[in-house]
Amino acid sequence: GDSVTQMEGPVTLSEEAFLTINCTYTATGYPSLFWYVQYPGEGLQLLLKATKADDKGSNKGFEATYRKETTSFHLEKGSVQVSDSAVYFCALRTNTGGFKTIFGAGTRLFVKA
Amino acid sequence: DGGITQSPKYLFRKEGQNVTLSCEQNLNHDAMYWYRQDPGQGLRLIYYSQIVNDFQKGDIAEGYSVSREKKESFPLTVTSAQKNPTAFYLCASSIDRGSTHEQYFGPGTRLTVT
Repeated sequence: GDSVTQMEGPVTLSEEAFLTINCTYTATGYPSLFWYVQYPGEGLQLLLKATKADDKGSNKGFEATYRKETTSFHLEKGSVQVSDSAVYFCALRTNTGGFKTIFGAGTRLFVKA
Repeated sequence: DGGITQSPKYLFRKEGQNVTLSCEQNLNHDAMYWYRQDPGQGLRLIYYSQIVNDFQKGDIAEGYSVSREKKESFPLTVTSAQKNPTAFYLCASSIDRGSTHEQYFGPGTRLTVT
């Protein structure tokens, strides 16, 4: 079945460091891919998305490119801030198999000042 | 402002009691979802509804029940049959038309059963 695998955390970085959180997926058909962010004690918020191969989603300095050949959607940011500390979830949704979104387990990011 | 509200934010119950979690949206979204999140884990789908008066079981529906009498509302009841109900519960909605499938989440309800 469809699945999402993302790197285990926690990831600890110093402010202004480069961030990569890896995400790979298994899916039938042509899924849409998402990154969501969850701040402590809150619900998830959509960070960015890509709906077809080679699309690049971007928002708030974060980017991810939909790579069909490697079935990946890695999240990157050139210079992290303390305020980026949160849990990041990679997710996919296919147009087959109903109306489900499949979420990865989440990667916790700590950014130190 | 449009959005999803969940109430209450914290809920405490004794074992053996049923409890209902509220979820309301004013985004005019057709689809609504309930997820459960346990510490350090991802989201697991409990129930979802694509239209009023219809809903489907998710991956972990046992011990839970829902209703969808209005488009705006999708309450979740955690019954006494749920063996481990203490968790963070998230409600979400989506348009589910065209290519836009992202989900909008409420702030969550943290349920503690003792």
